[in-house]
Amino acid sequence: DGGITQSPKYLFRKEGQNVTLSCEQNLNHDAMYWYRQDPGQGLRLIYYSQIVNDFQKGDIAEGYSVSREKKESFPLTVTSAQKNPTAFYLCASSPAGDFGYTFGSGTRLTVV
Amino acid sequence: AQSVTQPDIHITVSEGASLELRCNYSYGATPYLFWYVQSPGQGLQLLLKYFSGDTLVQGIKGFEAEFKRSQSSFNLRKPSVHWSDAAEYFCAVGMDSSYKLIFGSGTRLLVRP
Repeated sequence: DGGITQSPKYLFRKEGQNVTLSCEQNLNHDAMYWYRQDPGQGLRLIYYSQIVNDFQKGDIAEGYSVSREKKESFPLTVTSAQKNPTAFYLCASSPAGDFGYTFGSGTRLTVV
Repeated sequence: AQSVTQPDIHITVSEGASLELRCNYSYGATPYLFWYVQSPGQGLQLLLKYFSGDTLVQGIKGFEAEFKRSQSSFNLRKPSVHWSDAAEYFCAVGMDSSYKLIFGSGTRLLVRP
């Protein structure tokens, strides 16, 4: 079955460490997105990529980095520069020029 | 700037009662509008969407929504709520220049037995 996989489901890191969240899709979608979810704030866009080897900043990109070397993969690195990294992170993908988003089941990151 | 407002943070209804979740948007062009549902610790599932045409759209799980351009609203309704509908609901507007989705802050639905 086609889908989008985020791993791990739960992640704990010490303050000051970088951490990379995985997002893989086998839907042959061109576009991929990373959202951050905090209670009462909905989903906020971190980065998005509409094609391999290209990506754009979203509304809250500071302290995050991404890469898009393969169509299937869009990993997100939460760097030590991110002031408040504890959150629920959602990855999504869609066909090019289409609002048919498929969401992953999320990664809950806790920084202690 | 584009934005989506969901004025109700929490709503509690009794099982079998009707439901309306409010959503207002701000977008300069013709909006593409969506409602998603999220169970705890899970991703988002699309309930319904509006692109054009009939302003009353039907979705999955018995939900419907009505687009009212004059009020910049896209409220979600269900005639009879089931306990399994307890979840968080997000309204979103799609930007046709980039196909990004902008989400509201969500409304958490609690269902009273």
